Amino acid sequence: GENVEQHPSTLSVQEGDSAVIKCTYSDSASNYFPWYKQELGKGPQLIIDIRSNVGEKKDQRIAVTLNKTAKHFSLHITETQPEDSAVYFCAASTPSGNNRLAFGKGNQVVVIP
Amino acid sequence: DVKVTQSSRYLVKRTGEKVFLECVQDMDHENMFWYRQDPGLGLRLIYFSYDVKMKEKGDIPEGYSVSREKKERFSLILESASTNQTSMYLCASSAPVVTTNEKLFFGSGTQLSVL
Repeated sequence: GENVEQHPSTLSVQEGDSAVIKCTYSDSASNYFPWYKQELGKGPQLIIDIRSNVGEKKDQRIAVTLNKTAKHFSLHITETQPEDSAVYFCAASTPSGNNRLAFGKGNQVVVIP
Repeated sequence: DVKVTQSSRYLVKRTGEKVFLECVQDMDHENMFWYRQDPGLGLRLIYFSYDVKMKEKGDIPEGYSVSREKKERFSLILESASTNQTSMYLCASSAPVVTTNEKLFFGSGTQLSVL
């Protein structure tokens, strides 16, 4: 099945700087790549996603890029703010479909004021 | 807004007890999922369901069962709880894949401790 790996496991950034989290996936047939943010005491929430027919997608301060050849995709957060501190999960949908996502292990992002 | 409600935020049970974790969603979603979240292991799929009375095993179904008698409710059952089932349990729902909407809506989680 699909294997998704995230790096780094923990990332600390100064407020205002950019943060980048990278994920790699194993199945070249995967076609949907969402990112979820989990704040303390809450369930994960979708913040941005990208499909395999698109190379980049942006929504305000967050963006996701996809490199299908290298089988990796990255989350970019610009002008980080304290409220960006959270655990971020990347995922890839398996070719069997039916909304079955393979999640990475998560990244703890800490924004230092 | 979609709401996925898990019945308990914290639960403490004893080894060998039968445990029920309940989840209810209010958006008429066909798909429902149970994940467990452990530090360093991310989110692992236990069971999922595409329709009432239907269930499919996820990646780690051993020691668990599920029940989906009504569309809005998906229950996770630990037949005989063990200490290695101490974990955060997350329920999620989503609309059918045919709508190309694969967005998962998660509940806030149930932190289960088995003593």
